[in-house]
Amino acid sequence: GENVEQHPSTLSVQEGDSAVIKCTYSDSASNYFPWYKQELGKGPQLIIDIRSNVGEKKDQRIAVTLNKTAKHFSLHITETQPEDSAVYFCAANRRGYSTLTFGKGTMLLVSP
Amino acid sequence: ETGVTQSPTHLIKTRGQQVTLRCSSQSGHNTVSWYQQALGQGPQFIFQYYREEENGRGNFPPRFSGLQFPNYSSELNVNALELDDSALYLCASSAIQGNTEAFFGQGTRLTVV
Repeated sequence: GENVEQHPSTLSVQEGDSAVIKCTYSDSASNYFPWYKQELGKGPQLIIDIRSNVGEKKDQRIAVTLNKTAKHFSLHITETQPEDSAVYFCAANRRGYSTLTFGKGTMLLVSP
Repeated sequence: ETGVTQSPTHLIKTRGQQVTLRCSSQSGHNTVSWYQQALGQGPQFIFQYYREEENGRGNFPPRFSGLQFPNYSSELNVNALELDDSALYLCASSAIQGNTEAFFGQGTRLTVV
């Protein structure tokens, strides 16, 4: 089955800096890669996703890149703000299959 | 907010008991998935329901079972609770099965003592 590795497990940045979180996946048939933000006491919130026919996608301060050959994808947050502090999860899904396979998460702390 | 609602938000049960968790999917979504999230871990897939039938199952024992109703709401039932079942249980709904956007509820925090 699919295996998703995520790093770093914790990331501390100063407000205004950029943050990058990286994930690798094992199943070359995976073709959908969402990113979720989870705040304390809440469920995961979908913040951006990318499909395998696209190399990069941006939404304001957030961007995701995908390298199918290397089987890795990354989340980039620019101009970080304290409210970006949360746990971020990457996930992968294979077309036609039910499950999202998640990484173990990255705790992002943005200091004012 | 996603429009996916779960109840109850918190629950404490004794080892060996049974529990039922509930989920109302987002309007227009006919697929519901359940995930277990242990402390400090990513969510783990339990199973998915599509049009009232189980459509995929993760590595969980048969004492984890579920239902989906005609209005696409869903239940997760866990029998013979064990201490390791303590976790956040998440429900996610999506418009169709397969790899489309999945939206999560706030979860039910289950504590087994």
